[in-house]
Amino acid sequence: ELKVEQNPLFLSMQEGKNYTIYCNYSTTSDRLYWYRQDPGKSLESLFVLLSNGAVKQEGRLMASLDTKARLSTLHITAAVHDLSATYFCAVDEGGGATNKLIFGTGTLLAVQP
Amino acid sequence: AAGVIQSPRHLIKEKRETATLKCYPIPRHDTVYWYQQGPGQDPQFLISFYEKMQSDKGSIPDRFSAQQFSDYHSELNMSSLELGDSALYFCASSPQSRLAGRTDTQYFGPGTRLTVL
Repeated sequence: ELKVEQNPLFLSMQEGKNYTIYCNYSTTSDRLYWYRQDPGKSLESLFVLLSNGAVKQEGRLMASLDTKARLSTLHITAAVHDLSATYFCAVDEGGGATNKLIFGTGTLLAVQP
Repeated sequence: AAGVIQSPRHLIKEKRETATLKCYPIPRHDTVYWYQQGPGQDPQFLISFYEKMQSDKGSIPDRFSAQQFSDYHSELNMSSLELGDSALYFCASSPQSRLAGRTDTQYFGPGTRLTVL
């Protein structure tokens, strides 16, 4: 059974600082997704990582994937308050005709002025 | 750009009642997913449909059923509601199943907040 773990679960950081969120998963998968969720809102797709060594960047966020280590990271550069949200990684369990996503526990990011 | 539409957005039911949630995928998306997110929890996969056929099942209770119709919209039917069914229910759609081998980001709808009293 695929398990996806994130750490930290909660991250309080100051504006302008850098930090990394880690996502570990237990079985082989070639598809990993990062989503952002504001309180009570929907999930917004941030990144899709489809191969080992994939790196994608959008603004102050950069995501990478190491399929051998079963690890993805979401790096935040020079955080701003607008980045405050919960960030989920999700892994495609595979095996079916559709993409069954198993989500991590989520990381609640609070950026303090 | 068109997004996934879910209705209703909020629903309040009593225990043992039934509920029907509706999902209208993005145009030309043929794959639909349902997820349940309890308070403070991560989304849990319930069920998916590809080309109007059930594809994968997750932790969906037997009291729940779902289908995808000829116009690709989907409905999640929930019976004998329990207090623990209170959650945000998300529908997501994607352009193609993984068998097509193309990027298949799931685009999530705004969710239906179900409260069972």
